[in-house]
Amino acid sequence: QKEVEQDPGPLSVPEGAIVSLNCTYSNSAFQYFMWYRQYSRKGPELLMYTYSSGNKEDGRFTAQVDKSSKYISLFIRDSQPSDSATYLCAAQGVIQGAQKLVFGQGTRLTINP
Amino acid sequence: DAGVIQSPRHEVTEMGQEVTLRCKPISGHNSLFWYRQTMMRGLELLIYFNNNVPIDDSGMPEDRFSAKMPNASFSTLKIQPSEPRDSAVYFCASSLGPWRASSYNEQFFGPGTRLTVL
Repeated sequence: QKEVEQDPGPLSVPEGAIVSLNCTYSNSAFQYFMWYRQYSRKGPELLMYTYSSGNKEDGRFTAQVDKSSKYISLFIRDSQPSDSATYLCAAQGVIQGAQKLVFGQGTRLTINP
Repeated sequence: DAGVIQSPRHEVTEMGQEVTLRCKPISGHNSLFWYRQTMMRGLELLIYFNNNVPIDDSGMPEDRFSAKMPNASFSTLKIQPSEPRDSAVYFCASSLGPWRASSYNEQFFGPGTRLTVL
């Protein structure tokens, strides 16, 4: 079992739709959770990060972490064609004394005008 | 700031050849990371350095892979000998503080080197 699981998609939605992207993780020792956006042929760029459980909002983007169910979510409101990219979730923490940073597979998202 | 710089952007080589990928982190950043991204395995952390010192290379797939950071502004990832299964996009990233999993420091990624081993 991968430590961070993410449905690779692809996911295609019409412009203006609400997008929900999700990941699950296996180890409760993960403490920091990140979402990265990666445009084609570019490096990932950080969208948001959260510590432990809770919500964080930044404009049209909301990140949620539910540590009880080990579930990470990213919501995009009023989606735009410029949001078309691959979205990577990641989890970070100290596990059995080792520093761990693990990424999900990435979900390819297309917003259709 | 120019961001993280990687070279070359594309590399095509034949199996058995030595490959050297280069990275210049953002000036003033203390941590440097090497990642590999493939369709099958996604983005994987290979090794990271804090203050030019390799801290954890447990992600390096085999002894054929080695990484060095001779100074704060330069790092290399070398594959010798290269194999077709090494074909991937290799990213370098840097962050401001020494990286620890118990705290958060944003990582800034370079544009990547697309490696093809024939």
